[in-house]
Amino acid sequence: AQSVTQLGSHVSVSEGALVLLRCNYSSSVPPYLFWYVQYPNQGLQLLLKYTTGATLVKGINGFEAEFKKSETSFHLTKPSAHMSDAAEYFCAVLSGAGSYQLTFGKGTKLSVIP
Amino acid sequence: ETGVTQSPTHLIKTRGQQVTLRCSSQSGHNTVSWYQQALGQGPQFIFQYYREEENGRGNFPPRFSGLQFPNYSSELNVNALELDDSALYLCASSFPLAGNTGELFFGEGSRLTVL
Repeated sequence: AQSVTQLGSHVSVSEGALVLLRCNYSSSVPPYLFWYVQYPNQGLQLLLKYTTGATLVKGINGFEAEFKKSETSFHLTKPSAHMSDAAEYFCAVLSGAGSYQLTFGKGTKLSVIP
Repeated sequence: ETGVTQSPTHLIKTRGQQVTLRCSSQSGHNTVSWYQQALGQGPQFIFQYYREEENGRGNFPPRFSGLQFPNYSSELNVNALELDDSALYLCASSFPLAGNTGELFFGEGSRLTVL
């Protein structure tokens, strides 16, 4: 069965600093991996996804993530944090043979300090 | 292009009651999934509908049921509500399964409070 672990339920960074949100996954098949962002009182929005091919994936709002099979990781980064990045971030892995479901981590809340 | 819309946005029920949540999928999407997001947790998969048939179910009891209609809209029904059912219920639609690479388009959710 697939699973996702997000290290750190809450991360604080200063505006302009590097953002690093950690995600490790467990999957019995080659994984499809996702990062979603959730702003307060809103649904989830896809930031980026890895399916096959290039292991460094670029997403919206300047975020990127690198798939590292040997480390079973898919960490999310952004070189310079902006106040508008404050939100909750969820890592997810596609699972469910025959059906089509995402297994999410518990989320990491990102705070950006001015 | 209209996105995923859900109704109602907020509702309060008491234990033992029944609730119906509704979802209109994004144009062109024929697959609808429902997720439960408890406070402080990630979304958990409830079930998915494809061409009006349930196509996968998570670890939820039978009192959670659903429907998908010919226009691809969907309902989530929960019977005999329990306090632990208090959560944000998210609907997500996606492109047809064939060739799909996993991107889900989420609505803003229906927040259910059970007293």
